[in-house]
Amino acid sequence: GQSLEQPSEVTAVEGAIVQINCTYQTSGFYGLSWYQQHDGGAPTFLSYNALDGLEETGRFSSFLSRSDSYGYLLLQELQMKDSASYFCAFYSSASKIIFGSGTRLSIRP
Amino acid sequence: ETGVTQTPRHLVMGMTNKKSLKCEQHLGHNAMYWYKQSAKKPLELMFVYSLEERVENNSVPSRFSPECPNSSHLFLHLHTLQPEDSALYLCASSQDIAGSYEQYFGPGTRLTVT
Repeated sequence: GQSLEQPSEVTAVEGAIVQINCTYQTSGFYGLSWYQQHDGGAPTFLSYNALDGLEETGRFSSFLSRSDSYGYLLLQELQMKDSASYFCAFYSSASKIIFGSGTRLSIRP
Repeated sequence: ETGVTQTPRHLVMGMTNKKSLKCEQHLGHNAMYWYKQSAKKPLELMFVYSLEERVENNSVPSRFSPECPNSSHLFLHLHTLQPEDSALYLCASSQDIAGSYEQYFGPGTRLTVT
C-alpha cells in the first residue's frame, strides 16, 4: 500500500531549530513535497525533492533519502509565525500526490 | 492572495440539494486540482485536470462530479451528499502536473451537509 508517517505534534522554542521527519511507503515514487498551513488558511508550498540530498531555501531546508524512504523538513531560527501545520506529501506518479496527516508545530517564546 | 479564488467560501446544504463549487485561477496554469480536507485526516486528492482533461480520479463517489470547461475554471458539482461529506474543499493549480511544479491553493469552501 501507500502511506506516510509524520509526528502529529512538535513543540519548539523561538529562535531554535526543529526537524520534522517523514517516512513513506509506496511502490512508485517521483518526489517528496512539503507544505505549510496556518489555521484557517490554505496550504502553501515549501519545497520539493526529487533527488537525494538537502535543498535549502532561506530558513527552511528539506532532505530526502530515497533508499531509506525518508525525508525531513528543517526549520531554523524559528519565529512565532512559523507556528502552523506542516504536511509532507509524495508523488506516486506524475499527477498523483498523497499527503501525510500533518505535524502541528507549536512555538514557545 | 495566491491567484486562485473559490466561491462560495461557505456552503450549507441538505442531503437532497444540488450545488456547485467554483474555482478560478488567474495564473495561466495548465493543471487544476480538487482536494478534500476533513478534520484530523490527511488532505485527500479528489480530481486532477491537465489542459482540461481529467488525469486522476481517486475513487471519489459519483455524487461528486467535476467539470473543467477551460484551463482557468474548475467546478465541483454536488448532489445527494452525505453528512460525512462535510469538509473543507480546496482547489489548487500548478503550471503543470509534475511534482516539481508548486501547487497554489485557493482559500477553500467550507461545506456543511445537514
